[in-house]
Amino acid sequence: EAGVTQSPTHLIKTRGQQATLRCSPISGHTSVYWYQQALGLGLQFLLWYDEGEERNRGNFPPRFSGRQFPNYSSELNVNALELEDSALYLCASSLKPTSLAQHFGDGTRLSIL
Amino acid sequence: KNQVEQSPQSLIILEGKNCTLQCNYTVSPFSNLRWYKQDTGRGPVSLTIMTFSENTKSNGRYTATLDADTKQSSLHITASQLSDSASYICVVSPKNPPDQAGTALIFGKGTTLSVSS
Repeated sequence: EAGVTQSPTHLIKTRGQQATLRCSPISGHTSVYWYQQALGLGLQFLLWYDEGEERNRGNFPPRFSGRQFPNYSSELNVNALELEDSALYLCASSLKPTSLAQHFGDGTRLSIL
Repeated sequence: KNQVEQSPQSLIILEGKNCTLQCNYTVSPFSNLRWYKQDTGRGPVSLTIMTFSENTKSNGRYTATLDADTKQSSLHITASQLSDSASYICVVSPKNPPDQAGTALIFGKGTTLSVSS
């Protein structure tokens, strides 16, 4: 069984540009979560999608947005990139929203120059 | 404020030795506590999940303990191996309404473990 897959592995952008990160959950999982892991900080919750709908978002500005597609894959969009957006962005999926187990992908390393 | 503090920040041990990582939390009410292992450049992998009523949970050479009264948890690694070198993250889930599911997880900053030969 394939795990959570994320693409691209690395992404280099400059300030002001827009970035799109993609995530494919484990087959059968309907919930997708996005996290930001900045250097020296713990994971910060960004967004939660379930059944195609945004269910909850963390304390991040509106330029962080995303969507979930009918096949449950998801993308995270970050507009007007700032230097502090440089981080590892992790996607996780779970079988159902109340599942204790979230399975993580290996992340996309976003670097802002 | 809900917080998770881990100690030590980093640790170096010799292969074959045991070690214990600590996690203190202020999250209340509390639903469950998880320990994840994150290898460099990889996503976190779940080691153990404990509800508030559980005191201990094992996964091979990893044993997690929980004291809900003192709000402390520890992860004990037995007979360490080079492959144990990683960051270990303690995650606490507050008792949320179902519509928030696991989205309010509180993550510690992790303990970086280096096992040398």
